[in-house]
Amino acid sequence: GAGVSQSPRYKVTKRGQDVTLRCDPISSHATLYWYQQALGQGPEFLTYFNYEAQPDKSGLPSDRFSAERPEGSISTLTIQRTEQRDSAMYRCASSGDRQETQYFGPGTRLLVL
Amino acid sequence: AQSVTQLDSQVPVFEEAPVELRCNYSSSVSVYLFWYVQYPNQGLQLLLKYLSGSTLVKGINGFEAEFNKSQTSFHLRKPSVHISDTAEYFCAVRGNTGFQKLVFGTGTRLLVSP
Repeated sequence: GAGVSQSPRYKVTKRGQDVTLRCDPISSHATLYWYQQALGQGPEFLTYFNYEAQPDKSGLPSDRFSAERPEGSISTLTIQRTEQRDSAMYRCASSGDRQETQYFGPGTRLLVL
Repeated sequence: AQSVTQLDSQVPVFEEAPVELRCNYSSSVSVYLFWYVQYPNQGLQLLLKYLSGSTLVKGINGFEAEFNKSQTSFHLRKPSVHISDTAEYFCAVRGNTGFQKLVFGTGTRLLVSP
């Protein structure tokens, strides 16, 4: 596609529910990143994929967070048993062969009540 | 590991005035540097980047930034701002090899008033 897309744009859920966020990267991009941005803060790294491999999960805050990219294109980020502290903007980015620049999608704003 | 400091959380300025948004970073390795802009209700948009070469880089919308290795800074400047420049600006750094996460500052909100 022309740019990175994310869905849904907004998600309101109740504490304890599971949520799944979706990212569709730029079609030629092998690398996909997930970031979490709390209110008033800059984005913070969660994890990344190179095609379907997930070499770095170091930023995932707990085992309630997981991500996958089974066919090396679309990725999902799942948060199980959501907590209020999970409320944030979740940003996806992708980069091409030279890995230099990350291009971001519009983000998904998650609110956990 | 890298870190970024954006000391100014908010910068108010009048239209047509010059502006400088400050960014300092720390890193034990050579870096790439970026400025992203977030307009209201929109995603992060790349404004400009420093990868190598000339230390003065020009971006979209008349913005420029200068990489100063000795000062570990990458300040963003515009000689004359417009109302439409009102947005949040994020400075980010990453190592310059392979797969590297971006490390962001906390952002600076630029408020341009008439």
